[in-house]
Amino acid sequence: QSVLTQPPSVSAAPGQKVLISCSGSSSNVGSYSVSWYRQLPGTAPKLIIYDNNKRPSGIPDRFSGSKSGTSATLAITGLQTGDEAEYYCATWDSSLSAWVFGGGTDLTVL
Amino acid sequence: QVQLVESGGDLVKPGGSLRLSCAASGFTFSDSYMSWIRQAPGKGLEWVVYISNSGTTIDYADSVKGRFTISRDNAKKSLYLQMNSLRVEDTAVYYCARGGYYNFDHWGQGTLVTVSS
Repeated sequence: QSVLTQPPSVSAAPGQKVLISCSGSSSNVGSYSVSWYRQLPGTAPKLIIYDNNKRPSGIPDRFSGSKSGTSATLAITGLQTGDEAEYYCATWDSSLSAWVFGGGTDLTVL
Repeated sequence: QVQLVESGGDLVKPGGSLRLSCAASGFTFSDSYMSWIRQAPGKGLEWVVYISNSGTTIDYADSVKGRFTISRDNAKKSLYLQMNSLRVEDTAVYYCARGGYYNFDHWGQGTLVTVSS
C-alpha cells in the first residue's frame, strides 16, 4: 500500500475536466511540496507540476495543481486523447525519511 | 538539453550483484542532486536513493539499505548504483533522475534489471 493515496483510475470525455486527488498525512503532503508526474505507456515519467502548483516550461496551462492540508489535487482541463497516461504524485515523508509516491492514477479519455 | 542515459541492466541470479550507470549531459551535473527510482513490472514508482551534488548527503529507501550503494563522479558527469545481494523483488526498470531535494525534473529512459534463477 502506498503512503500517498490516489484513485486507481479516472475517466472523462474529450474536452472535459478531470481531478486526480493525492491524500497523505502531516508528515508528507501536510509538510512538503507535492510534485506530479505523467507516464505515457512504455515511457519514462515526466514532471508536470512542482511545488504544488508550478508548471515546468513546456507544460500547457491545461494542467494545474493545488494543495490543501494533507491533500493535493491535479486538474486537467480540455482533455485530449493524448492525455491518457498514468499520473503519480510525490513528496518527501519526514517520518520515513524517504521520498514517497502515490500508487498512480490511470486516466482514460473516453 | 538535459539527457540522462542509463546502462548496466541485465539478468542476474538472486544473491548476485550488478552496477548501473547513468551518463548525464546538457546541464551542470556537479550542481545537481541525483536519484535512482525504480518501477517493478506493472507496478508504480518507488524511490530508491538520492545523492547530493557533492556526494556528502545520501539517503536510501529501507528496502535497499545495506545492499545498494550510490556514488557519483562529477568529473565524468556520471551516476552509479552498485546493487549487491539482489532479490527477486528488486526486478524493475531503474530510472536515473535529476533531483531528489525538491522534485525529479528530468528522467532517463530506464534500464531493466531482472533478478531470477
